[in-house]
Amino acid sequence: GAVVSQHPSWVICKSGTSVKIECRSLDFQATTMFWYRQFPKQSLMLMATSNEGSKATYEQGVEKDKFLINHASLTLSTLTVTSAHPEDSSFYICSPQGTSRPEQYFGPGTRLTVT
Amino acid sequence: SQKIEQNSEALNIQEGKTATLTCNYTNYSPAYLQWYRQDPGRGPVFLLLIRENEKEKRKERLKVTFDTTLKQSLFHITASQPADSATYLCAHSGGGADGLTFGKGTHLIIQP
Repeated sequence: GAVVSQHPSWVICKSGTSVKIECRSLDFQATTMFWYRQFPKQSLMLMATSNEGSKATYEQGVEKDKFLINHASLTLSTLTVTSAHPEDSSFYICSPQGTSRPEQYFGPGTRLTVT
Repeated sequence: SQKIEQNSEALNIQEGKTATLTCNYTNYSPAYLQWYRQDPGRGPVFLLLIRENEKEKRKERLKVTFDTTLKQSLFHITASQPADSATYLCAHSGGGADGLTFGKGTHLIIQP
């Protein structure tokens, strides 16, 4: 399987501040990056899809101005939660994709708590 | 739109028995159904994928079936062990360029 890292693994921030989450594919080049979030006791929900060098495509109900995605290189993508609020507290997980194969490999996740 | 349903939130199984988890889809037959394992506080880990035209797939103690008539996939773990305790997620996608749609998952507990 693919090796994926995420940083930080957990973060606590105050309401109104911004938080940046990094996702790296360590042993392959990711032409596509999927970002998911998971609320407690719920399943993963796709937030957005980005292709290297292009703007991200957001799922319905996900604010593109609030969740800024940068996929500037084939091994690094970042998700910035701007003006975070307590309802943004969630588990954010990235999934870089380097092939056309349907199975996906996920990062270890970032637990965000907004106080 | 396609929905993936895993109706059992939790399943308790005695060690050594076969655990069987169910995944139903509501609409068209997906090209693939996938199964993932998720441990608490971790990202999902890919286990098995089964294509629409496949009836069954095996990997070690794992077996997945796909029944397009019932619109259902079954996931079996034989000779279950306490280490198999985790949440198991069923998911589908249209293809490699698409994100996954997940079911809510089944929390499996294998009791010694």
